[in-house]
Amino acid sequence: QSALTQPASVSGSPGQSITVSCSGTSSDFSGYNYVSWYQQLPGKAPKLIIYEITNRPSGVSNRFSGSKSGNTASLTISGLQAEDEADYYCNSYTTSDTYVFGTGTRVTVL
Amino acid sequence: DVQLVESGGGWIQPGGSLRLSCVGSGFSVSGDYMHWVRQPPGKGLEWVSIIYSGGATRHADSVKGRFIISRDNSENTVFLQMNNLRAGDTAVYYCARGGPPSGYTAMDAWGQGTTVTVSS
Repeated sequence: QSALTQPASVSGSPGQSITVSCSGTSSDFSGYNYVSWYQQLPGKAPKLIIYEITNRPSGVSNRFSGSKSGNTASLTISGLQAEDEADYYCNSYTTSDTYVFGTGTRVTVL
Repeated sequence: DVQLVESGGGWIQPGGSLRLSCVGSGFSVSGDYMHWVRQPPGKGLEWVSIIYSGGATRHADSVKGRFIISRDNSENTVFLQMNNLRAGDTAVYYCARGGPPSGYTAMDAWGQGTTVTVSS
């Protein structure tokens, strides 16, 4: 059960769009669309921002969007804002009926 | 409002045992999927365990045979029994729910976490 692979850091200027990738194997992604993304602010618990690859929970900004192609899922943040500076983690349901998180990406707003 | 409150963390010597609790409010733990997730100091999130609404459980390979997830429906509480603890189990342990807002496929509510330190 190795972690999904994410870039350690991604940065962008205010107003720009950035994309965070999340790569794994076919076993990691199980064939179901159960990929989710979490935002973790410093010292806080994670917060769900995307589920089932593309869906946003109520109250989450539409500047956050998700997609998946093959064995790579992606999170895009458009119109980057200072408040988006945080750690982001992907998560997937696996063929072993377990879950696995990504290694995490620190997003920095320049 | 959905709320999760963890407790039971603390300092424990290697080889010892600890039981974490997670009390839910605003929903029924028996009707949803309940997860435990941990985060070692300065590191990323690691999924640990799940108990499904039907009662089935699953554990990460790193804790299989040592950790047991369970629940008490009458107390609306989920537990994580941790045995034979190792230094590598040192982490903040979060309780999380997989419920209707996410189609039960993601963790849509989280507790504040409880810290477990395994050290001699």
